[in-house]
Amino acid sequence: AQSVTQLDSHVSVSEGTPVLLRCNYSSSYSPSLFWYVQHPNKGLQLLLKYTSAATLVKGINGFEAEFKKSETSFHLTKPSAHMSDAAEYFCVVSEGDRDDKIIFGKGTRLHILP
Amino acid sequence: DTGVSQDPRHKITKRGQNVTFRCDPISEHNRLYWYRQTLGQGPEFLTYFQNEAQLEKSRLLSDRFSAERPKGSFSTLEIQRTEQGDSAMYLCASSFGPLTGELFFGEGSRLTVL
Repeated sequence: AQSVTQLDSHVSVSEGTPVLLRCNYSSSYSPSLFWYVQHPNKGLQLLLKYTSAATLVKGINGFEAEFKKSETSFHLTKPSAHMSDAAEYFCVVSEGDRDDKIIFGKGTRLHILP
Repeated sequence: DTGVSQDPRHKITKRGQNVTFRCDPISEHNRLYWYRQTLGQGPEFLTYFQNEAQLEKSRLLSDRFSAERPKGSFSTLEIQRTEQGDSAMYLCASSFGPLTGELFFGEGSRLTVL
């Protein structure tokens, strides 16, 4: 069965500095991996996805993530944080048709300091 | 544009009462998922449907919980004999499988059990 671990429950960065949100996964097969964002009182929104194509994936709002099979990681990055990036971020794993339970990590709350 | 809609958005009930939530997915989506999210946690998988077939059900889903998707369109999630521990946000999402794409989430139904 697949699982996902988000290594930090809270991350604080200053506006204009880089963002790194860490995610490690466990999967018996070739997984699909996703990052979702949840702003306060809003629904979950897809940021980006990896589905066995290019290992460096670009998403919306300047975010990107790199799939590293050897490290079983899928960390989310952004070169320069903006105040509007303050939200909860979830790393998500799925084994596709083998097991369509889509498993969410516990989330990382990103705080942006002015 | 009609996204995923959930009804009601908020429900307050007394312990022991039954409640039912409805989810209307995006019309061409064949897969429908239910998740539960409590404060400070990631969404927990409950169950999912492909068309009208319920393909997976989490061990989290006790016998008091039942979900249906009778005609492969809308779905209902019923909780019988509610307990205070059932208080949570119940999220519905839909997708067009197989899962190489995006889950589209509704804004959720918040349940408070007094």
